[in-house]
Amino acid sequence: NAGVTQTPKFQVLKTGQSMTLQCAQDMNHNSMYWYRQDPGMGLRLIYYSASEGTTDKGEVPNGYNVSRLNKREFSLRLESAAPSQTSVYFCAGGETGHTYGYTFGSGTRLTVV
Amino acid sequence: GNSVTQMEGPVTLSEEAFLTINCTYTATGYPSLFWYVQYPGEGLQLLLKATKADDKGSNKGFEATYRKETTSFHLEKGSVQVSDSAVYFCALSDNSGNQFYFGTGTSLTVIP
Repeated sequence: NAGVTQTPKFQVLKTGQSMTLQCAQDMNHNSMYWYRQDPGMGLRLIYYSASEGTTDKGEVPNGYNVSRLNKREFSLRLESAAPSQTSVYFCAGGETGHTYGYTFGSGTRLTVV
Repeated sequence: GNSVTQMEGPVTLSEEAFLTINCTYTATGYPSLFWYVQYPGEGLQLLLKATKADDKGSNKGFEATYRKETTSFHLEKGSVQVSDSAVYFCALSDNSGNQFYFGTGTSLTVIP
């Protein structure tokens, strides 16, 4: 009964390093999402995948790439980390259709120094 | 475009006080409205939702009514507890269902 699982929970990167944030869901959701949360700015959508095999940009996609590996997994990659990418990242799963809510993971706290 | 505006925090209340957190929205079409709660160190959890005008969502003593005439979805609870201390987010989902729009969050602290 895990829901949405994110790894790692914490990460410190040096500027210019790359890393991949992993997300897996066991709720058979069609849609998956990556958000970042910054103080005073709420949650901003980075990328989403409405179904397996499709990905689309959200509000703040620059500096990120995503892969919808299969229905369960949706990864977020930072190719060359920058201090502006210091944030808490949340993955979420949901169903297409505006009456459904999302299920969120517990987050990855990323610091870029 | 779509957007959500919620009251600035932080909000500090004594236990058993009445809570209101204001939320207004701008949207095209007929969105669904949601309140999420985030406890320290955790992800967001769906608290309640309303999918059409005049619907009332409720859960754990919290309520919110979808008011199309005032484009509002205010969160209320009659008697807060220390365990309600968290950050509360108002959100809307547009007709496509492909994107949520979140408010900036309101931090609530309840003191004994």
